[in-house]
Amino acid sequence: AQSVTQPDIHITVSEGASLELRCNYSYGATPYLFWYVQSPGQGLQLLLKYFSGDTLVQGIKGFEAEFKRSQSSFNLRKPSVHWSDAAEYFCAVGDPGGSYIPTFGRGTSLIVHP
Amino acid sequence: DSGVTQTPKHLITATGQRVTLRCSPRSGDLSVYWYQQSLDQGLQFLIQYYNGEERAKGNILERFSAQQFPDLHSELNLSSLELGDSALYFCASSVAFGGQTGELFFGEGSRLTVL
Repeated sequence: AQSVTQPDIHITVSEGASLELRCNYSYGATPYLFWYVQSPGQGLQLLLKYFSGDTLVQGIKGFEAEFKRSQSSFNLRKPSVHWSDAAEYFCAVGDPGGSYIPTFGRGTSLIVHP
Repeated sequence: DSGVTQTPKHLITATGQRVTLRCSPRSGDLSVYWYQQSLDQGLQFLIQYYNGEERAKGNILERFSAQQFPDLHSELNLSSLELGDSALYFCASSVAFGGQTGELFFGEGSRLTVL
């Protein structure tokens, strides 16, 4: 079964600084990979996804992620963080050979300082 | 607004009781998923329905059950509630099988507190 590890429980950055959130997955082949964001009191919203092809994926709100097969990673990046980016970020992996249902990591809480 | 509606938003009940959480998926979506989010377990997949049929089961307890009705809304029934069932329960929907389209649309959740 697939699994996802988000090693950072909390990340604190200053507004305007760059951001990288880490995600490592465990899966026998190339999985489907996702990043979702959860703002306070809201449900999860998809930021971006990777199925195949170009390993650098662009998403909404200025986010991007890079799939690195050799490192089993799918890290999320943003060049300049805004205060409104403060939220919980979830990496997820789906099994293209099975049920497709995403398995989520434990999440990383992003705190943005002014 | 994702288009997924969950009711109630908050629910407080006592141990041993039974509750029903309701979910209306986005218009046109055939798949409904239920997830449980708690501090100690994170976001756990419970069950999926597709066009009225159960498609996949995750870490759903035997005390919990769900169904999807002909109008595609879904209900999650939680019975013999325990303190540990306190959590945020999310419903999500997708057009087909979530991973194929790459996106699940989540409701805002139903927060259950068991006292």
